[in-house]
Amino acid sequence: GENVEQHPSTLSVQEGDSAVIKCTYSDSASNYFPWYKQELGKRPQLIIDIRSNVGEKKDQRIAVTLNKTAKHFSLHITETQPEDSAVYFCAASQGDYKLSFGAGTTVTVRA
Amino acid sequence: DAGVIQSPRHEVTEMGQEVTLRCKPISGHDYLFWYRQTMMRGLELLIYFNNNVPIDDSGMPEDRFSAKMPNASFSTLKIQPSEPRDSAVYFCASSPRQGGSPLHFGNGTRLTVT
Repeated sequence: GENVEQHPSTLSVQEGDSAVIKCTYSDSASNYFPWYKQELGKRPQLIIDIRSNVGEKKDQRIAVTLNKTAKHFSLHITETQPEDSAVYFCAASQGDYKLSFGAGTTVTVRA
Repeated sequence: DAGVIQSPRHEVTEMGQEVTLRCKPISGHDYLFWYRQTMMRGLELLIYFNNNVPIDDSGMPEDRFSAKMPNASFSTLKIQPSEPRDSAVYFCASSPRQGGSPLHFGNGTRLTVT
């Protein structure tokens, strides 16, 4: 099955700086890559997703890039704010619904 | 849209007791998923349904776990008998169509088995 690895496990950034989280996947057939944000004690919520026919997608301060050849994808958060502090999960699937999640990255934005 | 509704929010029970977690998916969503989240194992898919039919239960840890979906608006996850290692947050999620659609998670049930 699909194996998703996520790095780093923790990330501390100064407010206003950028944060980058990287994930690799094992199954070259995977074609859907969502990112979820989970605030403390709350449910995971989708923040952005990308499909394998697209190399990059942007939504305001967040962007995701996908490199199918290298089988990795990344989340970029620019101009970080305190409300960006949360756990971020990447995931991958190959068209069925067996989303495989990464282990998560705890992002802390220092004021 | 009320989103995915789970109950109870918190459940504390003693080892050996039966536990039933409940989920109401978003109306019109054909897919329903049960996930378990722990610090050690992260987010694990336990089982998912399509149009009320279980499609893949390979993530169900053992026979003590069972899930049903008697109709399009209700699902249960049952643990009998419960054990301390079952302590986790259990999330239900739903999605409108197959493949490449985002999951909508409920607020989860935090289960503590003493």
